[in-house]
Amino acid sequence: ILNVEQSPQSLHVQEGDSTNFTCSFPSSNFYALHWYRWETAKSPEALFVMTLNGDEKKKGRISATLNTKEGYSYLYIKGSQPEDSATYLCAYASNSGGSNYKLTFGKGTLLTVNP
Amino acid sequence: DVKVTQSSRYLVKRTGEKVFLECVQDMDHENMFWYRQDPGLGLRLIYFSYDVKMKEKGDIPEGYSVSREKKERFSLILESASTNQTSMYLCASSLFRPTDTQYFGPGTRLTVL
Repeated sequence: ILNVEQSPQSLHVQEGDSTNFTCSFPSSNFYALHWYRWETAKSPEALFVMTLNGDEKKKGRISATLNTKEGYSYLYIKGSQPEDSATYLCAYASNSGGSNYKLTFGKGTLLTVNP
Repeated sequence: DVKVTQSSRYLVKRTGEKVFLECVQDMDHENMFWYRQDPGLGLRLIYFSYDVKMKEKGDIPEGYSVSREKKERFSLILESASTNQTSMYLCASSLFRPTDTQYFGPGTRLTVL
C-alpha cells in the first residue's frame, strides 16, 4: 500500500495571508503527482499534474513545486481569499507493477479562509 | 468541458437492498473509476475500468461490483447494501492512461439504514 501523507490536516488563515501545505509520497517509482481542489458541494477539480523533479506550476495565486528525489510537493496560495476555502488533495501515481493503474490520494488539507 | 454526471446526489436505502449508482461521462474517456470518501480516510478506489466490459479491483472492492457495457457509462452495484456502505461515492474518468488527470462527478451521498 502506497503512503501519501498531507499536512497539516486543516488550517485557518485570514484573508490576505499566504499559506502553504505539504504532500509527501514514496520517492521510488515516481510517475506523477496531482493536486486537486475540492470545494464543499462541488466535484474535485484538477489544479496541477507534475511529472518532473523540480517542476513548478502556477495558476493565478496558486502554485506548486515538486521534489521527486525526496518525495514531497508543496502547494502555495498567495493572498488567500475566502473562495480559496476548500479541501486540497494530492494524488500520487507510481510506475511500478501493480500500482501503475491508479492514483493514490492523500487525506487532504482543509483550508478555511476567514474574511 | 468534460462532464461527469451521477444519477443521484442523495440516496437512502435499507439494509439488504440492491443499489445501483450510475455514472456517465460525455468525453469519450477510456478510463472510469469509482471511489468512496469517508471522514478521516480520504478517497479510496473501489473499482476502475479501462475499457468496455473490462474492470479491475481497487483497494476496497469487497461488497461491490461494477458494470461497463458502454464506454460512457460505469455502474457501481451494491448487491446487498449494509450500513458500513454509508458513504459519499464519487465517479471519475480519465482520457487515456488511468493516471491522467481525473474528472470527477458531483458525488452521491448514500445512506443505508
